[in-house]
Amino acid sequence: ELKVEQNPLFLSMQEGKNYTIYCNYSTTSDRLYWYRQDPGKSLESLFVLLSNGAVKQEGRLMASLDTKARLSTLHITAAVHDLSATYFCAVDMEEYGNKLVFGAGTILRVKS
Amino acid sequence: NAGVMQNPRHLVRRRGQEARLRCSPMKGHSHVYWYRQLPEEGLKFMVYLQKENIIDESGMPKERFSAEFPKEGPSILRIQQVVRGDSAAYFCASSSRLSSYNSPLHFGNGTRLTVT
Repeated sequence: ELKVEQNPLFLSMQEGKNYTIYCNYSTTSDRLYWYRQDPGKSLESLFVLLSNGAVKQEGRLMASLDTKARLSTLHITAAVHDLSATYFCAVDMEEYGNKLVFGAGTILRVKS
Repeated sequence: NAGVMQNPRHLVRRRGQEARLRCSPMKGHSHVYWYRQLPEEGLKFMVYLQKENIIDESGMPKERFSAEFPKEGPSILRIQQVVRGDSAAYFCASSSRLSSYNSPLHFGNGTRLTVT
């Protein structure tokens, strides 16, 4: 059974600081997704990572994938308050796609 | 281009009642997925449907839960005789076959079910 673990589960940081969220998964996969969720809202897609060594950046967020280590990271640079949300990684195991296994989520709070 | 539409947004049911959740996929999408999110947890896969077919229901509880995606109309997730443990947010997502590999799933806004 595929397991996806995120850490930390809760992250409180000051504006302007850098930090990394980690996502480990237990079996082979080459498709990993990062989503953002605001309270009471749906999930917003941030990144799709499809191959080993993939790196994608959008604004203050950068995601990478190491399929050999079964590890993805979401790096936050110079955090701002607007980044406060819950971040989920999800791994897609099935050949037809879209049967995602989600991590428990990382609650990020950026303090002014 | 409207996204995935779910209704109702909020649904309150008493124990033992039935809950019906509806999902209209994005235009041109014929694949629908239902996920459930318990409080402070990640989403968990429930079922994958194509028009008139259930493709994978490995995440559905064996009893009281059913799903359909008829030829016409929205996909329906039905929960019979609800219990308090069914309280959760239920999200629907859709895709077209060609886009499913390298495109993320697009989720609806969810239905938040509260069982009292």
